[in-house]
Amino acid sequence: KNEVEQSPQNLTAQEGEFITINCSYSVGISALHWLQQHPGGGIVSLFMLSSGKKKHGRLIATINIQEKHSSLHITASHPRDSAVYICAVSPLGNQFYFGTGTSLTVIP
Amino acid sequence: KAGVTQTPRYLIKTRGQQVTLSCSPISGHRSVSWYQQTPGQGLQFLFEYFSETQRNKGNFPGRFSGRQFSNSRSEMNVSTLELGDSALYLCASSLNVPGAGNTIYFGEGSWLTVV
Repeated sequence: KNEVEQSPQNLTAQEGEFITINCSYSVGISALHWLQQHPGGGIVSLFMLSSGKKKHGRLIATINIQEKHSSLHITASHPRDSAVYICAVSPLGNQFYFGTGTSLTVIP
Repeated sequence: KAGVTQTPRYLIKTRGQQVTLSCSPISGHRSVSWYQQTPGQGLQFLFEYFSETQRNKGNFPGRFSGRQFSNSRSEMNVSTLELGDSALYLCASSLNVPGAGNTIYFGEGSWLTVV
């Protein structure tokens, strides 16, 4: 069973479009992380959430603890946003459960 | 300051051999965790160390082991390599328990190919 479900798996968007990636989880968590992985492997942590909403530039992340759901939004998408976005939940310390990732391609 | 450093970046091993991967965390970070990423299984948690003690362990066989040194540097070892161990191995560090509000920082990973 998957503790973390992400959708969609693949997403293609035109430059400038508003993008939403969804994450649902089934375990109690202390934090939820949104990660970005570019080709080549390196992973960057975009957000760490335990409640509410966070914004960083064109990226917005929200979490609803009661519904066990989080969303990552990208406003005014750009080709440099093309990457795999991974949702990870932390029930205990660093013991993450990961979603399978959403592969985003933004076309100029 | 320097990020999380993993060595080697790429390596090829033969079935049955063993491999040791190294991870140097960000200075001051005491928590180091390891992950395996494969196309079929995605990212999976291997284990986490804090102050030289393994605090958490994922669901991997005993062939996968690790340790952390007093300077917080960590190594992971895979013995009796199998073809299915071919993967990207990622290390991450944080000040303390990420769930307690500490951001996690990943290294670039070590690409292991088993032939």
